[in-house]
Amino acid sequence: EDQVTQSPEALRLQEGESSSLNCSYTVSGLRGLFWYRQDPGKGPEFLFTLYSAGEEKEKERLKATLTKKESFLHITAPKPEDSATYLCAVQAAGGNNRLAFGKGNQVVVIP
Amino acid sequence: DVKVTQSSRYLVKRTGEKVFLECVQDMDHENMFWYRQDPGLGLRLIYFSYDVKMKEKGDIPEGYSVSREKKERFSLILESASTNQTSMYLCASTISNQPQHFGDGTRLSIL
Repeated sequence: EDQVTQSPEALRLQEGESSSLNCSYTVSGLRGLFWYRQDPGKGPEFLFTLYSAGEEKEKERLKATLTKKESFLHITAPKPEDSATYLCAVQAAGGNNRLAFGKGNQVVVIP
Repeated sequence: DVKVTQSSRYLVKRTGEKVFLECVQDMDHENMFWYRQDPGLGLRLIYFSYDVKMKEKGDIPEGYSVSREKKERFSLILESASTNQTSMYLCASTISNQPQHFGDGTRLSIL
């Protein structure tokens, strides 16, 4: 069974204080690892897809990296508008298009 | 941009009622998904469909059914609503090997 564990569950940051979120996974052959952002009362919004170890993707203050066992979402010099829950999900190779989600990292950035 | 539209943002129903949640996507995606999201439990897959009239059970199908009569529409049915089905329901769609795109969710309360 595919498993995704995200840590820390919750994180409070001062504006400008960089940090990293962790997503550890076990999957029978990784087809892709996905990061989403979710604001309260809204659906998840797609951020990145990573396919193989060593791959990195960047968007504004966010950078996602991937190893064979985990992914990190680095938030550099965060702003209050980066406050959200960040969700990690994995898709196994050879199967259908279903995803296994972690429980999320809730990030609050204080001005 | 992909648009996934869920028919209601908020819904209040009584126990024992038959409840229909509707989801429509505008990008001709083959795959559609229904999740529920609860605090501390994350996103859990209820049912998914990879083609018209095709459906597969997810991780928590009990008490639910689905209907996909047209490619763009995927309905979730609560046959006899119970209080433990109070939750946020999220619909998503995708084509193969692409990220899932989510609607904004339906917050369902069963009284």
